Amino acid sequence: GAGVSQSPSNKVTEKGKDVELRCDPISGHTALYWYRQSLGQGLEFLIYFQGNSAPDKSGLPSDRFSAERTGGSVSTLTIQRTQQEDSAVYLCASSLAHAGSYNEQFFGPGTRLTVL
Amino acid sequence: TQLLEQSPQFLSIQEGENLTVYCNSSSVFSSLQWYRQEPGEGPVLLVTVVTGGEVKKLKRLTFQFGDARKDSSLHITAAQPGDTGLYLCAGDRTNAGKSTFGDGTTLTVKP
Repeated sequence: GAGVSQSPSNKVTEKGKDVELRCDPISGHTALYWYRQSLGQGLEFLIYFQGNSAPDKSGLPSDRFSAERTGGSVSTLTIQRTQQEDSAVYLCASSLAHAGSYNEQFFGPGTRLTVL
Repeated sequence: TQLLEQSPQFLSIQEGENLTVYCNSSSVFSSLQWYRQEPGEGPVLLVTVVTGGEVKKLKRLTFQFGDARKDSSLHITAAQPGDTGLYLCAGDRTNAGKSTFGDGTTLTVKP
């Protein structure tokens, strides 16, 4: 399909291990976002990429979290030395982000991360 | 302090009832979106409102943007079990590409 895809859909890891979460945005979308969502809660902004500009990392909760976007397309969110409080659903979204697009975001299905 | 306050946080109603959920802020937004999220899935965009006082209808859903572009409401007529989900509003204050999300309203429609 042409939507946003994320992998893996589920990830179970042990405390202290590193994890990588992947996001494939919609082709042609210049903006890409990562959010974290706890059960039944709203979205916690993590990081925002827009074209070739420096990413907005203001939402990353600690220096254990980092993200890259290669070639303006695929993005990877890395969590080092995972902690139990990192358990959540990690959502990726993309948008056209040009004048008139009103920042309408298209979301992937998310990756459910469980840290034991 | 949450920039966008959604109310109520939880709403449980019977099929066929009407309901309204609210999204309020003290800030002005250049645009505001409503999304619906079902369990195990990502949020799906329902509507974007841009002009103060704007009303948009999507079948049984009516969306309104406040005259001052600080608040919005979503009204559902004759709710159905398929309307069950988490309703999120999101606003872009500067049209700079980064939106703020509210904490959502969890709606349950019982058959």
